[in-house]
Amino acid sequence: EVQLVESGGGLVQPGGSLRVSCAASGFSFSTVWMSWVRQAPGKGLEWVANIKEDGSEKYYVDSVKGRFTISRDNADNSLHLQMNSLTTEDTAVYYCVRGSGSRKFDYWGQGTLVTVSS
Amino acid sequence: QSVLTQPPSVSAAPGQKVTISCSGSSYNIENNYVSWYQQLPGTAPKLLIYDNTKRPSGIPDRFSGSKSGTSATLGITGLQTGDEADYYCATWASSLSIVVFGGGTKLTVL
Repeated sequence: EVQLVESGGGLVQPGGSLRVSCAASGFSFSTVWMSWVRQAPGKGLEWVANIKEDGSEKYYVDSVKGRFTISRDNADNSLHLQMNSLTTEDTAVYYCVRGSGSRKFDYWGQGTLVTVSS
Repeated sequence: QSVLTQPPSVSAAPGQKVTISCSGSSYNIENNYVSWYQQLPGTAPKLLIYDNTKRPSGIPDRFSGSKSGTSATLGITGLQTGDEADYYCATWASSLSIVVFGGGTKLTVL
């Protein structure tokens, strides 16, 4: 059974940093693209970033370029999102998702809430 | 303002059929695959349709997808109260190397 379990969410002040992580199991993690998708309270879905199987390619939505870094560790089947210079606009549930999005996001985690507030 | 345009809401009676449109451009939908997601209240999204028309295992054939030019459509037949959810389309915008979502459509089964 495919499982994606996010962790690391919480409350952070504007300008601060946070790292969210995702533990993957039930599939061959090192052979698939992975992504982060977020959803602000009461709003729609927004793709944040994705990363190739071996980490050699990474893509970001413009609003997070230069502030967020997606990474992965295929040795322990984990995906990470380092978020710096956070603003209130980054407040959202962050979902770990299997796939690049070019064809599909086929499995989603339960999400972790990141709240940026003073 | 989402890159892909969906109607904010649609509604229909139980047992009826509904369609949800997703309008894009030659920079996204026309030259890439479209996928659709269902988000039931308080839950994570779930894949309904991928590669424009394909259903993952376990998705009933009441759900269908189509694409023509710069638009895509999700169809749901035999509506059930359990289908009440938000529905999102998504595709790759190849010129920008990003994934774009529609703004979402809230389905109400009256």
